[in-house]
Amino acid sequence: SQQGEEDPQALSIQEGENATMNCSYKTSINNLQWYRQNSGRGLVHLILIRSNEREKHSGRLRVTLDTSKKSSSLLITASRAADTASYFCATDLNDYKLSFGAGTTVTVRA
Amino acid sequence: DTEVTQTPKHLVMGMTNKKSLKCEQHMGHRAMYWYKQKAKKPPELMFVYSYEKLSINESVPSRFSPECPNSSLLNLHLHALQPEDSALYLCASSQGGWADNTGELFFGEGSRLTVL
Repeated sequence: SQQGEEDPQALSIQEGENATMNCSYKTSINNLQWYRQNSGRGLVHLILIRSNEREKHSGRLRVTLDTSKKSSSLLITASRAADTASYFCATDLNDYKLSFGAGTTVTVRA
Repeated sequence: DTEVTQTPKHLVMGMTNKKSLKCEQHMGHRAMYWYKQKAKKPPELMFVYSYEKLSINESVPSRFSPECPNSSLLNLHLHALQPEDSALYLCASSQGGWADNTGELFFGEGSRLTVL
């Protein structure tokens, strides 16, 4: 079952701009993860944030988690053409299954 | 070696064929997964093996048969598939066993399956 819902479904930005996408979920979680998928390829893990963490950084990525609102955001700063991909949040339900959100498709224009 | 390798990359099969998808990892990971992904949709969990034992079967039709010959290999045997089974099949692995943690999944590049 799909627990996460992502917003927006699609995002088009100019190279150098920031991209922000949001993920909302329904039940309590142990952690939330973000993955990137280039067209027709496998998923690549970007970052994991635990339920007791509020913010995490990795290079140009910044993830926030608000457990009271059951939401997370992924910010990509100074976007590049190579950031063009689909981005999925994934939450672990209490039975340890990872459930992926619907995804946000990001297009970075040169 | 931080790779999950899937073969074949592309597979076309008829509804009466029997074929297999293969997945291999040499990271010493103890859990391995099969996901199915339709176009423009998120991956959907099919099976989980933890310590070489089938831990999760998400009510997948019996025409899909998983096998874990050893801790590094995962197969998905396909028989009498339907055209609607056409999808990208993704294999993944994780360091701990199924309930040890829900940490990072390492994905292969997928096998693109077309059923005619």
